[in-house]
Amino acid sequence: DIQMTQSPSTLSTSVGDSVTITCRASESISNWLAWYQQKPGKAPKLLIYEASNLDTGVPSRFSGSGSGTEFTLTISSLQPDDFATYYCQQYISYSLWTFGQGTKVEIK
Amino acid sequence: QLHLQESGPGLVKPSETLSLTCTVSGASITRDTYYWGWIRQSPGKGLEWIGSFYFVGATFLNPSLKSRVSISVDTSKNQFSLNVASVTAGDTAVYYCARHAGGRQRHPFFPWGQGILVTVSS
Repeated sequence: DIQMTQSPSTLSTSVGDSVTITCRASESISNWLAWYQQKPGKAPKLLIYEASNLDTGVPSRFSGSGSGTEFTLTISSLQPDDFATYYCQQYISYSLWTFGQGTKVEIK
Repeated sequence: QLHLQESGPGLVKPSETLSLTCTVSGASITRDTYYWGWIRQSPGKGLEWIGSFYFVGATFLNPSLKSRVSISVDTSKNQFSLNVASVTAGDTAVYYCARHAGGRQRHPFFPWGQGILVTVSS
């Protein structure tokens, strides 16, 4: 199965900062990568699909890039609503879908 | 608008079977070319895909849970269900259902149900 590894596990940052989260796949997944945002007590929310496409209604300060095995999620000018945990997920597989372990973006 | 809603008991005894149902509204689970899946999240942990089914009759299960997990479908109610047998405290988690797709039509998990907390305890 394809392993997804995110870094860092935690990001301590401030409103207005720009942050980048990295996700690495154990083998090539082309651009079949999604990013989700999760807040405490809530279901994950789809932010980005196919590595770089923003889902409907997602603010343009979010951006995704990468292909193959290395991907990034960038949040420019962090807003208070952006403090959350972010997960990447591969969906190239026909039968086994895997998530990264998550990156918590917290207030410094 | 597509909506998924999990239901079932919030407390299950160790060694018993956990049974949850996902009710889908706004789309047919047998007519669309999507997969319908279950994901769980243990307290303070990350997301773990459990299993999915595709209306043509295919079921996909996480190898780490395969021996204890089954997914069934009630087409008359537009519902699909998850059974996890022989549960332990390690199965305590929030369980989510979600739509996605694999094969030639790849789609990420969207939308998700709100989730249901299941606690395994005597």
